[in-house]
Amino acid sequence: GDSVTQMEGPVTLSEEAFLTINCTYTATGYPSLFWYVQYPGEGLQLLLKATKADDKGSNKGFEATYRKETTSFHLEKGSVQVSDSAVYFCALSGSGAGSYQLTFGKGTKLSVIP
Amino acid sequence: DSGVTQTPKHLITATGQRVTLRCSPRSGDLSVYWYQQSLDQGLQFLIQYYNGEERAKGNILERFSAQQFPDLHSELNLSSLELGDSALYFCASSVGVGPGTEAFFGQGTRLTVV
Repeated sequence: GDSVTQMEGPVTLSEEAFLTINCTYTATGYPSLFWYVQYPGEGLQLLLKATKADDKGSNKGFEATYRKETTSFHLEKGSVQVSDSAVYFCALSGSGAGSYQLTFGKGTKLSVIP
Repeated sequence: DSGVTQTPKHLITATGQRVTLRCSPRSGDLSVYWYQQSLDQGLQFLIQYYNGEERAKGNILERFSAQQFPDLHSELNLSSLELGDSALYFCASSVGVGPGTEAFFGQGTRLTVV
């Protein structure tokens, strides 16, 4: 079945540091890929997405590129802020016919310190 | 605010009991998904409804059931509760289903079984 593997946290960075959170997936077909973010006490929010190979999703300074050859969708940000502290989830959907529920990785907790 | 409303926010109940979690999707969204988030299992897809019909089933226990009503709100029923059912239960909704469809999440219901 489908699965998503992302780097275990927690990750602690200083403000303005470079962020990479690795994500790889296993799926049949051609899934869509997502990064969701969960701030403390809140539900998940879509951060960015990509629906086909070589697409780059971007939002709020975060970027991720859909790499089919390496089955990866790594999240990057050039300069993190304290407000980026949250749990980040990599996810996929749509690998099978009519199958559009999300399969999530286990999440990576990011803490950014001033 | 995602526009998805879940009630109650917190629920504490005893083993063996039955509870009902309620979800009101965003206005106009036809699809509702239920997810369970626990420390050991992460975020797991339970079940999806689309315009009142069950669309997809994930790792949902036989003790759990759900339905979507004509006004599109959904309820998740959990019965014969066990300690291991303690988790955060999220509802999400989307306009339809298809590649790259964004799901909007509620803030969740935290269930504690004692």
